[in-house]
Amino acid sequence: GEDVEQSLFLSVREGDSSVINCTYTDSSSTYLYWYKQEPGAGLQLLTYIFSNMDMKQDQRLTVLLNKKDKHLSLRIADTQTGDSAIYFCAENNDYKLSFGAGTTVTVRA
Amino acid sequence: DAGVIQSPRHEVTEMGQEVTLRCKPISGHDYLFWYRQTMMRGLELLIYFNNNVPIDDSGMPEDRFSAKMPNASFSTLKIQPSEPRDSAVYFCASRLSGRAIDTQYFGPGTRLTVL
Repeated sequence: GEDVEQSLFLSVREGDSSVINCTYTDSSSTYLYWYKQEPGAGLQLLTYIFSNMDMKQDQRLTVLLNKKDKHLSLRIADTQTGDSAIYFCAENNDYKLSFGAGTTVTVRA
Repeated sequence: DAGVIQSPRHEVTEMGQEVTLRCKPISGHDYLFWYRQTMMRGLELLIYFNNNVPIDDSGMPEDRFSAKMPNASFSTLKIQPSEPRDSAVYFCASRLSGRAIDTQYFGPGTRLTVL
């Protein structure tokens, strides 16, 4: 999605924290999402944040939203090998989702 | 509940052949989306339907691509004739409007290879 940008690759050591960043353009988006795609599978909704929030925590996941800078981040604490996947940032726009290119996270032992 | 179902999971065909991809959305969902995923272009929205009616097909790459939704539980994406550059993973997703959390549920995808 040309309106949503994210870095393409992240390598992290098992047990460390991962931080994936994303910038978006549509300030009218009601929700912003993080999807996870494991090899050979479809996208699964990982977490989301409502646009009037600036932080959301869900177990090992922390989402931070900076509306002024249109910046979204996903932090995964205590990264595990099962967290290796592609992570997509997405914004909603009139019933459609615009996705970033995806960040491939590789967890090394 | 069964999720979004797509068939086939893998399709290998020769250039010039007709390809039909199938999708069964989650029961009761009123929106259906077709996406294409490639390394070069990432995830692209091709077309979406609301209550079986095509709403936005601006992402369909060219006239070789067509999509139908004859009823609420079935949709097809057809490519005729297929070309090697159509090789990609095609995802179907469905959505239920009016929910507190607006999200889409994706199928496992069809990996298409055109030789």
